Amino acid sequence: GENVEQHPSTLSVQEGDSAVIKCTYSDSASNYFPWYKQELGKRPQLIIDIRSNVGEKKDQRIAVTLNKTAKHFSLHITETQPEDSAVYFCAASIGDYKLSFGAGTTVTVRA
Amino acid sequence: NAGVTQTPKFQVLKTGQSMTLQCAQDMNHNSMYWYRQDPGMGLRLIYYSASEGTTDKGEVPNGYNVSRLNKREFSLRLESAAPSQTSVYFCASRGAGANVLTFGAGSRLTVL
Repeated sequence: GENVEQHPSTLSVQEGDSAVIKCTYSDSASNYFPWYKQELGKRPQLIIDIRSNVGEKKDQRIAVTLNKTAKHFSLHITETQPEDSAVYFCAASIGDYKLSFGAGTTVTVRA
Repeated sequence: NAGVTQTPKFQVLKTGQSMTLQCAQDMNHNSMYWYRQDPGMGLRLIYYSASEGTTDKGEVPNGYNVSRLNKREFSLRLESAAPSQTSVYFCASRGAGANVLTFGAGSRLTVL
């Protein structure tokens, strides 16, 4: 099955700085790569996703990049704010049914 | 519009006891999923149901059974609970042709 590795496991940034989380996947057939954000005690929620036919996607302060050759994708958060503090999960899937998640990155934004 | 509803929210079991986690969605979604979340291990897929009447194993199915009772409901059963099954369990659903997983609020299970 698909194996997704996520780094770093924890990330502390100063408010206003950028945060970058990186993930690698094992199966070159994977074609869908979402990112979920989970605030403390809450359920995971989709924040951005990308398909394998696109190299980059942006949504306000959030962007995701995909390198199919290297089988890795990254989440970039610019101008971080306290409300960006959360656990972020990357995921990958082949087709639509089964998502394999990374282990998560705990992001702390320091005021 | 409740989305995905899971019950119970909290449960404490003794080793060997059985229980069923219930999940219902009101979004007319075809696919439903059960994940477990453990510290440092992310979300791991236990079982999923691509459509009503079908179920398939995920990454960590041992010790669990599921039932897709109808299009709305997907239950997860622990026949003989073990301490290794202490976890937070999330149910999720996905509509046909859509990619987004909608998660329930989670069920925290402790097995003593």
